[in-house]
Amino acid sequence: AQTVTQSQPEMSVQEAETVTLSCTYDTSESDYYLFWYKQPPSRQMILVIRQEAYKQQNATENRFSVNFQKAAKSFSLKISDSQLGDAAMYFCAYRSYHGSSNTGKLIFGQGTTLQVKP
Amino acid sequence: NAGVTQTPKFQVLKTGQSMTLQCAQDMNHEYMSWYRQDPGMGLRLIHYSVGAGITDQGEVPNGYNVSRSTTEDFPLRLLSAAPSQTSVYFCASSLRQGHTEAFFGQGTRLTVV
Repeated sequence: AQTVTQSQPEMSVQEAETVTLSCTYDTSESDYYLFWYKQPPSRQMILVIRQEAYKQQNATENRFSVNFQKAAKSFSLKISDSQLGDAAMYFCAYRSYHGSSNTGKLIFGQGTTLQVKP
Repeated sequence: NAGVTQTPKFQVLKTGQSMTLQCAQDMNHEYMSWYRQDPGMGLRLIHYSVGAGITDQGEVPNGYNVSRSTTEDFPLRLLSAAPSQTSVYFCASSLRQGHTEAFFGQGTRLTVV
C-alpha cells in the first residue's frame, strides 16, 4: 500500500521570503501522480501544483515549484515570495495511475500548516 | 458550472441517529470519493466509486454506506452516528485521467454528541 508522510506539522515564513514544505511517499508503482493541495480557513481544497512521475522536469506554477526526486520518493513544495494569502494548510497527495489501480483515490499526507508573518 | 455541491455544511447529530450527506457533481466525472479529515491525520478515504453502480471501500469504511445510482450523485450515509465520527467530510470527483485534479465539495463539519 502507498503511504504519504509530511513530517512538518507547522511551518512559518516571513512575508516575501521562501519556504519549502517536505513530503515523502512510499510506493512500488511506477505510474503515479503527485499533487499539492492548499486548504485555507474556508476549508476549500485548492490544487496548487501537480507532477507526473514519468516527467523528470520539476513542475512550476508561478511562485510555486516542486523538487521531485523519484528515486528518493521525495516531493517538496517551494513557495517563493511568500504572501499573506499563502497562509493555509498544505496537503501532499498521491494518485495511482496504472490499470486497476487507477480509481481516482488520493492518498494524503498529514498536512502542514503554514503561517506567513508580515 | 457548479462543480461539486456538498450539503449540509454543518450538522450536529445525537449518538445513534442516522443521516445522509449529499454530494452532486455536474462535470460528468467518472470517479467520486468521500474523505474524512481529522487533526494530524490528513484526509482519509471512506468509500469511492469508479462509475454508476460501482462502489468500493476505502481506508475507513466502518459505519458508513454509499451508493451510486447516477453519475452525478454519490451520497454518504451514516447508519448510527457515534462520537468517533465527529469530523469534517469531503466529497471529491475527478476524471479517469490520472493527471487531472480532483474537485472537492466545500466540506461538512459533523459533530456527534
